[in-house]
Amino acid sequence: AQTVTQSQPEMSVQEAETVTLSCTYDTSENNYYLFWYKQPPSRQMILVIRQEAYKQQNATENRFSVNFQKAAKSFSLKISDSQLGDTAMYFCAFMRATGTASKLTFGTGTRLQVTL
Amino acid sequence: GAVVSQHPSRVICKSGTSVKIECRSLDFQATTMFWYRQFPKQSLMLMATSNEGSKATYEQGVEKDKFLINHASLTLSTLTVTSAHPEDSSFYICSVWRAGHTDTQYFGPGTRLTVL
Repeated sequence: AQTVTQSQPEMSVQEAETVTLSCTYDTSENNYYLFWYKQPPSRQMILVIRQEAYKQQNATENRFSVNFQKAAKSFSLKISDSQLGDTAMYFCAFMRATGTASKLTFGTGTRLQVTL
Repeated sequence: GAVVSQHPSRVICKSGTSVKIECRSLDFQATTMFWYRQFPKQSLMLMATSNEGSKATYEQGVEKDKFLINHASLTLSTLTVTSAHPEDSSFYICSVWRAGHTDTQYFGPGTRLTVL
């Protein structure tokens, strides 16, 4: 079974600053995907970024980037130039790469508050 | 990505009644959809995996007869909460799995169920 741990229940960052959210996971799988999803107050789950475990290169999406350390089983999210709209709950998630639909295993989430 | 809708967005019902929630994949045919439940300030809990044309696969501890799932077409899955009770009050979210190069789950906007 897989587990995902987010050790920071809450974080705060000032607008325009950079913040890093931590995520560690445990698995015996070699092929898998990792995701960060954002859930703003509307509660719509939005995909932020996706990483394939076989890729050494860290994924980036505009202001969002990850630091994927496969050996350490670590998958942190860096948000640069934080904006008020980044205020949300952020969930780290793991999915086995089986070639068919697989379950997502979520962490407990980190609540990020962006302040003026 | 993918565009996913849910209907209704919120529903209030009396104890003992049944409520149906629809999840639609609007821009592609989804062979697999997932149903989650989320309690306030908590992570998402997978309830079941819905496969088109076959019976849903339920997670341990989820009552099949209480939470009926039907995936009759490639664009629609329904979750029916039968004989609802106040403890069934929650936020229900569906997701669709997009295979191929994304292998990613995309989420609907959720349905808030309140049972009086």
